[in-house]
Amino acid sequence: SQTIHQWPATLVQPVGSPLSLECTVEGTSNPNLYWYRQAAGRGLQLLFYSVGIGQISSEVPQNLSASRPQDRQFILSSKKLLLSDSGFYLCAWSIYGQGIGGYTFGSGTRLTVV
Amino acid sequence: GDSVTQMEGPVTLSEEAFLTINCTYTATGYPSLFWYVQYPGEGLQLLLKATKADDKGSNKGFEATYRKETTSFHLEKGSVQVSDSAVYFCALDRGSTLGRLYFGRGTQLTVWP
Repeated sequence: SQTIHQWPATLVQPVGSPLSLECTVEGTSNPNLYWYRQAAGRGLQLLFYSVGIGQISSEVPQNLSASRPQDRQFILSSKKLLLSDSGFYLCAWSIYGQGIGGYTFGSGTRLTVV
Repeated sequence: GDSVTQMEGPVTLSEEAFLTINCTYTATGYPSLFWYVQYPGEGLQLLLKATKADDKGSNKGFEATYRKETTSFHLEKGSVQVSDSAVYFCALDRGSTLGRLYFGRGTQLTVWP
């Protein structure tokens, strides 16, 4: 079966520290991968998406970057965190053309920058 | 561009009350429409979907009908339970290779016993 793993579940980091969040997918090949951020009291903001290894597209300019070193691995990074980077980060995957549509989401990472 | 508009929350109901959460969309072509649910502290889960006009998606007592004439996909449930308390997101996918979903802002539902 297809599963998605996201870790860590919670993270408290000081301002200016680096960040690395990891997301891995099992049970499927060549998925589209996405990073979303959900700030407190707000909707979902698409940060990055990837349709293949090494292919990253950014939706908004920001302090974050993403990488896809393997087909089923998607990493969200920052060299220096800002207070405004606090939020709930969600990874998701989808497969185009399989008649399913929609995403499968990970359980999320709650990031608090202090 | 493509977008989804949801009714502003929060919505507070008593148990067994009728629920409607409005959702309208703007999109070219014939998008697929979705409702996702997010329970406290968790990621999003697909609740139901509809892929063409007049389709009705249903799951766990929730229903939504894809209305192309009114570009709407309102979520309904006849009798809500305390366990339905969550944030509900409406979303659309217009079927591009990217498979990107456009989300509404979410509606917080709280059900009191």
